[in-house]
Amino acid sequence: KNQVEQSPQSLIILEGKNCTLQCNYTVSPFSNLRWYKQDTGRGPVSLTIMTFSENTKSNGRYTATLDADTKQSSLHITASQLSDSASYICVVSRGTYKYIFGTGTRLKVLA
Amino acid sequence: DAGITQSPRHKVTETGTPVTLRCHQTENHRYMYWYRQDPGHGLRLIHYSYGVKDTDKGEVSDGYSVSRSKTEDFLLTLESATSSQTSVYFCAISESSGGGADTQYFGPGTRLTVL
Repeated sequence: KNQVEQSPQSLIILEGKNCTLQCNYTVSPFSNLRWYKQDTGRGPVSLTIMTFSENTKSNGRYTATLDADTKQSSLHITASQLSDSASYICVVSRGTYKYIFGTGTRLKVLA
Repeated sequence: DAGITQSPRHKVTETGTPVTLRCHQTENHRYMYWYRQDPGHGLRLIHYSYGVKDTDKGEVSDGYSVSRSKTEDFLLTLESATSSQTSVYFCAISESSGGGADTQYFGPGTRLTVL
């Protein structure tokens, strides 16, 4: 069964601290893996997209890694800010029109 | 939200009534999608379009229909709304169909409540 599982479900950290979110997938075939940020009441916004051959990609303070052998990805947030409070969604594409979405990790950054 | 608008943004309706949600884009992207987002589930694809008048079903299409008469507009219709269709609906667009490393852009969402 094609699945994307994210952990933890929720996370609370203090402003300025780093954190890492995990994504494990059992999706085949694999086309690419995406991380999205979704603020409350808004649509998801793309952070990174990685294809099979890429094992790391950065977008400012966000760094995503991909291990295609173990089918794991992580999203590392450096020096967190209050505005990082959001849900982070891992999405794996199987190819044409086929996106498998995780249920997300809800991150709260406290001052 | 990358030139995507959804209307209405909020709607409350009664069981059995028809409902149409509209997605409008100004990006001239070929591909458009309708998703629903429910607690405990990832976003799930309802229908998608790969061109004007070209649409197909997603994984949760029962009870929904779509139409695309212009590149910029993609309509989602609930012919007879049920309480199980209470959800947040997102429209998305992309230049290609997902196999490539293109970005999928999402609209702001429509919160639908069926009483």
